[in-house]
Amino acid sequence: GQNIDQPTEMTATEGAIVQINCTYQTSGFNGLFWYQQHAGEAPTFLSYNVLDGLEEKGRFSSFLSRSKGYSYLLLKELQMKDSASYLCAAMDSNYQLIWGAGTKLIIKP
Amino acid sequence: NAGVTQTPKFRVLKTGQSMTLLCAQDMNHEYMYWYRQDPGMGLRLIHYSVGEGTTAKGEVPDGYNVSRLKKQNFLLGLESAAPSQTSVYFCATSSFAGHTGELFFGEGSRLTVL
Repeated sequence: GQNIDQPTEMTATEGAIVQINCTYQTSGFNGLFWYQQHAGEAPTFLSYNVLDGLEEKGRFSSFLSRSKGYSYLLLKELQMKDSASYLCAAMDSNYQLIWGAGTKLIIKP
Repeated sequence: NAGVTQTPKFRVLKTGQSMTLLCAQDMNHEYMYWYRQDPGMGLRLIHYSVGEGTTAKGEVPDGYNVSRLKKQNFLLGLESAAPSQTSVYFCATSSFAGHTGELFFGEGSRLTVL
């Protein structure tokens, strides 16, 4: 079956760095997405990886290892506004997105 | 630009009642999707459309119907609501069927079925 695993909840301190991991199993693979979702709001796109390696975008970076079925989202210089859920989604061979349940990130002062 | 707009934002139904959720987009995107989001679960695709006049079933289509009569609108109908359909519903659009293209989501519609 197809599956996405990511931690349910993580806590980090303002100004620090946090890494949110995601492992996936899909029938074929056409890329890995990360979305941010603040409580009560819609998900918004953060990143897309289809090749192995690290993609950096400001304070946020996303890494992909296709051979390991593994990705992570790295958030640097954490700010209180980064408190949100982070959704990992993998695209299968039919270009359908398989979504993880999300990781709720709590930032403490 | 409004982007993706969903109406209504909130609705309470009694079991057996029917209703329609409207998704309207001004982004000229071909692809539109309806998802539901439940606590502890990932987003689940209900139905989707790859263009005006087309619809297709997603992962959890039972109990729902959809129509895409106009490119900018995607309607989700519940003919006979059940408590299991209590959820937050999100409409999303994309320009490339999600092929490397990001999804743009509406603000969500919170539905409670009593």
